[in-house]
Amino acid sequence: SAVISQKPSRDICQRGTSLTIQCQVDSQVTMMFWYRQQPGQSLTLIATANQGSEATYESGFVIDKFPISRPNLTFSTLTVSNMSPEDSSIYLCSVDIAGGWYGTDTQYFGPGTRLTVL
Amino acid sequence: AQKITQTQPGMFVQEKEAVTLDCTYDTSDPSYGLFWYKQPSSGEMIFLIYQGSYDQQNATEGRYSLNFQKARKSANLVISASQLGDSAMYFCAMRESDNDMRFGAGTRLTVKP
Repeated sequence: SAVISQKPSRDICQRGTSLTIQCQVDSQVTMMFWYRQQPGQSLTLIATANQGSEATYESGFVIDKFPISRPNLTFSTLTVSNMSPEDSSIYLCSVDIAGGWYGTDTQYFGPGTRLTVL
Repeated sequence: AQKITQTQPGMFVQEKEAVTLDCTYDTSDPSYGLFWYKQPSSGEMIFLIYQGSYDQQNATEGRYSLNFQKARKSANLVISASQLGDSAMYFCAMRESDNDMRFGAGTRLTVKP
């Protein structure tokens, strides 16, 4: 498994501002993932972040709105830019722990960042 | 089409009893993994149990077991001897060889004292 921490754990922000969420892992990992969970919903993948390359965004998510950094193998940040109340969600980072072949890698999650936008 | 289906939005169980949370999946990929996660009200996602498509036996982890019926494409989570602390959202997820993790809609379990 992996120990993953996120900062901040929660925040209340004003419309139009930006928030950067940090994710730290206790071991080196190749792939890190950022998810959004809107109230009462399941998880939606925002993007996959590999060290040394641009993040890969899922349909409906763009780099201008959710810029991601991945400066090394243990750390990543997600910025939620120009926030609106619709961005109020839990944001979770996760990492893969290899299971041996495709389809078996387990994802471990950080504790999440609960964001409220007023 | 939905890849992962959890048909029970909410379930209730009496403390100390067993409960089964349903999950069906859809895939034509012969290699895939099935996962269950628990999400308490704090929001963290806790990995519970994993079942590989090639595994011959059902996975077990303490009080959690996975009832894997490959032909029916179901991967139900069984929690034995329920405890008050088991009250949470439970998500079923699947990973195919494209390596994307897909989550079901979740089931909210409430354990009654």
